[in-house]
Amino acid sequence: AQTVTQSQPEMSVQEAETVTLSCTYDTSESDYYLFWYKQPPSRQMILVIRQEAYKQQNATENRFSVNFQKAAKSFSLKISDSQLGDAAMYFCAQGAGANSKLTFGKGITLSVRP
Amino acid sequence: KAGVTQTPRYLIKTRGQQVTLSCSPISGHRSVSWYQQTPGQGLQFLFEYFSETQRNKGNFPGRFSGRQFSNSRSEMNVSTLELGDSALYLCASSLTLTGKNTEAFFGQGTRLTVV
Repeated sequence: AQTVTQSQPEMSVQEAETVTLSCTYDTSESDYYLFWYKQPPSRQMILVIRQEAYKQQNATENRFSVNFQKAAKSFSLKISDSQLGDAAMYFCAQGAGANSKLTFGKGITLSVRP
Repeated sequence: KAGVTQTPRYLIKTRGQQVTLSCSPISGHRSVSWYQQTPGQGLQFLFEYFSETQRNKGNFPGRFSGRQFSNSRSEMNVSTLELGDSALYLCASSLTLTGKNTEAFFGQGTRLTVV
């Protein structure tokens, strides 16, 4: 069974500052993938960043980067130079193997202060 | 390229009724997954279809069912609706290469309210 835990329900960051969102996971699979999704008020889930477990290098997408600690089963998201448009709910998710099933964390609501 | 399209966007039903939700995946995507999102339970996997076959199923009662057509469009059906079925239902499509877990693209969801 797979579990994904996001222990912080809410976070706030000042515009232009950096914020880190935490996520831990558990799985017995050796081949798995980790994702961060953003869900703005429109409710559309948008992929922010993806990390393959077999890759040691942390994924980066523009202002978004992850800190993937495989041994600790930790997968945090760092948002640099926060913008007002980053305000949303962020979900950490895990997928494994050949199927497309995703296991999601409870999510964290990020607010950005102008 | 058109995204994932879910219809209808909003739906109000009465307890005991049944409902059918539709999802059109991105062109070329053969996998369609369904998720239920509620404030209390978060996002929970319902089922996944690939090439008209159910490949994976979550822990939901038999009232929840689905199917996929030859053009990859998918429908999910909920029979004998209960108040607790009120939720946002999200559909996701992916290319799903064998042995790979590829990116899932989500639709905007169908907001179901059961009264």
